[in-house]
Amino acid sequence: GIQVEQSPPDLILQEGANSTLRCNFSDSVNNLQWFHQNPWGQLINLFYIPSGTKQNGRLSATTVATERYSLLYISSSQTTDSGVYFCAVEKEYNNNDMRFGAGTRLTVKP
Amino acid sequence: NAGVTQTPKFQVLKTGQSMTLQCAQDMNHNSMYWYRQDPGMGLRLIYYSASEGTTDKGEVPNGYNVSRLNKREFSLRLESAAPSQTSVYFCASSDLGGPTTEQYFGPGTRLTVT
Repeated sequence: GIQVEQSPPDLILQEGANSTLRCNFSDSVNNLQWFHQNPWGQLINLFYIPSGTKQNGRLSATTVATERYSLLYISSSQTTDSGVYFCAVEKEYNNNDMRFGAGTRLTVKP
Repeated sequence: NAGVTQTPKFQVLKTGQSMTLQCAQDMNHNSMYWYRQDPGMGLRLIYYSASEGTTDKGEVPNGYNVSRLNKREFSLRLESAAPSQTSVYFCASSDLGGPTTEQYFGPGTRLTVT
């Protein structure tokens, strides 16, 4: 099956710092999403981004499908950004089987 | 608009007991999913349902059964629980075939099998 690797596994930042999270995948994909899991366990969809660039406030994401990677940028980090960030992909032509990476655990210190 | 709801929130079972996890969505989504999340890991797909009346196996289906009762509801059944099924279970839904296919998740069910 498709492999999804996220880096770094852990990241500790001071409030106000910027960060880049990376997601590499082993095959062409039909769908790529970034999720944030807050410290209480709730999963929130951040971006649906199979290709191109999107921005939402302090967060932005870029997927280069031809090179099989996606980046999530967090600018001016806040303590509420803490949690685990997951990348998930659907292999091309398989429209329901989402595969998740192991996540990046982000801790933002005040 | 409650989104995706799951019951129960917590459950403790003894080995061999059975139970059904319930999931409902009010977003009129066609597709629904069951995932499990083990400590320090991402989510793994157990089963999915692309539409009412259809279900398919995901990455880790062994030991589970599902029922897509109607468009709103998708249940997950453990017939004979095992300690290896201790996990947090998430239900999700998406509007597959629509303009975007983001998945929306329920709050999760924390299951412990002793």
